[in-house]
Amino acid sequence: KTQVEQSPQSLVVRQGENCVLQCNYSVTPDNHLRWFKQDTGKGLVSLTVLVDQKDKTSNGRYSATLDKDAKHSTLHITATLLDDTATYICVVGDRGSALGRLHFGAGTQLIVIP
Amino acid sequence: EAAVTQSPRNKVTVTGGNVTLSCRQTNSHNYMYWYRQDTGHGLRLIHYSYGAGNLQIGDVPDGYKATRTTQEDFFLLLELASPSQTSLYFCASSQLGGLYEQYFGPGTRLTVL
Repeated sequence: KTQVEQSPQSLVVRQGENCVLQCNYSVTPDNHLRWFKQDTGKGLVSLTVLVDQKDKTSNGRYSATLDKDAKHSTLHITATLLDDTATYICVVGDRGSALGRLHFGAGTQLIVIP
Repeated sequence: EAAVTQSPRNKVTVTGGNVTLSCRQTNSHNYMYWYRQDTGHGLRLIHYSYGAGNLQIGDVPDGYKATRTTQEDFFLLLELASPSQTSLYFCASSQLGGLYEQYFGPGTRLTVL
């Protein structure tokens, strides 16, 4: 059963617009949550990691929130650029130690058009 | 910048064929991982290792073997490839497991005819 669900599956926005990507999960325990960016044909690159019960992070035009009570995270991209076109993957770690497993979402495909 | 390389980048083989995928990291990381990525699914862990000579079974190990010959090199072996193993394979490394960030290679696209 899928434990990390991302929505929407795909999204098209115009350059300069803002967008919000959602991640809902049922992983227990939920130690941390990380957002990755995957350019087409390339590997995953970490954008941010959230750890606290209610956490917020910011990395340039990317900002993210985590609510462990709701088991929900959002990734906000402000003033999108054409280079933001990629798949964004939500990953939940069930432990902080090496004994833990990572649970990957299937990703949201973002397309930014001129 | 952490560096993980994979070879080959693309591979086509036939059912029953023997395939070896290679991964090298120059990060001096202890942990290395092999994942497969299929459309509509999240990445799934095949095997991982926390040091040379060590091997741990992941979540989808059937049909795969792996070997960690040095700290830098981690290989994934498909001894009797099947069409169900057609996928995009990623290698990753991290200093330690868990919360530590994993650095991913560019991927190997494998097609089994």
